[in-house]
Amino acid sequence: DQQVKQNSPSLSVQEGRISILNCDYTNSMFDYFLWYKKYPAEGPTFLISISSIKDKNEDGRFTVFLNKSAKHLSLHIVPSQPGDSAVYFCAAVTNFGNEKLTFGTGTRLTIIP
Amino acid sequence: SAVISQKPSRDICQRGTSLTIQCQVDSQVTMMFWYRQQPGQSLTLIATANQGSEATYESGFVIDKFPISRPNLTFSTLTVSNMSPEDSSIYLCSVVTGRNTEAFFGQGTRLTVV
Repeated sequence: DQQVKQNSPSLSVQEGRISILNCDYTNSMFDYFLWYKKYPAEGPTFLISISSIKDKNEDGRFTVFLNKSAKHLSLHIVPSQPGDSAVYFCAAVTNFGNEKLTFGTGTRLTIIP
Repeated sequence: SAVISQKPSRDICQRGTSLTIQCQVDSQVTMMFWYRQQPGQSLTLIATANQGSEATYESGFVIDKFPISRPNLTFSTLTVSNMSPEDSSIYLCSVVTGRNTEAFFGQGTRLTVV
C-alpha cells in the first residue's frame, strides 16, 4: 500500500520555466512533509519542508504548497535551472518528531537548456 | 547538519553470500535509519538502529536477514545475509538531527547480486 504517491515518474521542463512536481498521500495522520533531491550515486538531500498547519512554505526558488483537504502537495521550482535536473522524492511523517519517513516513488526532473 | 560516510559505494556479490555495509556519522546521533530503494521504487525503511538496544524492524524485514549493529552513537552496520538477486537494491543509511525531522543520508550502497 503506497501511502505517498508521485504519479509522474518523469518531467521535462525548459530552462527558466516553472517546474511543478506533485505528490499525493492517503494517510491523514501525516503531519509533516518534506521534499528531497537525489543525484545519481548520491544520497537524497533535503530541499524544503512544510508542516500540516501551513499551506505554503517558500525558500528561494523553491515553494511547497500543501492542500490538506485534497491530501496533495506540490513543489514549485522557478526559474528552473539545469542543476535542478535530479530525482525528487516527497516524504511524509506521522506524529512530528518520530523521524520515520515514508517516501514517494520519485519524479525524475530534466531541465532542458 | 550531519556528514555521513557510507561504504562500500557499490558491490557485486554472489548469491548466498553476505555483505556488511558501514555507516559513519560525523556527530553523535541517537537513532540511525537504514533504507532500501529497489529499482523504480520508493525508499523503504528497513529498520531503526538504536544505540544500546536492538534495532527496530519494519514490517517485512527481519533481523536474521538484515542484522544491524550499533556499537556507538556515530556508527552502524547493516548486513544483507544469504543474498539473492531480489536483494539487488540501493541501501542507504540516514540520521535525523535537530527538531525539524530533516534527515541526512549517506551516499548509498548499490548492491547487485548475481
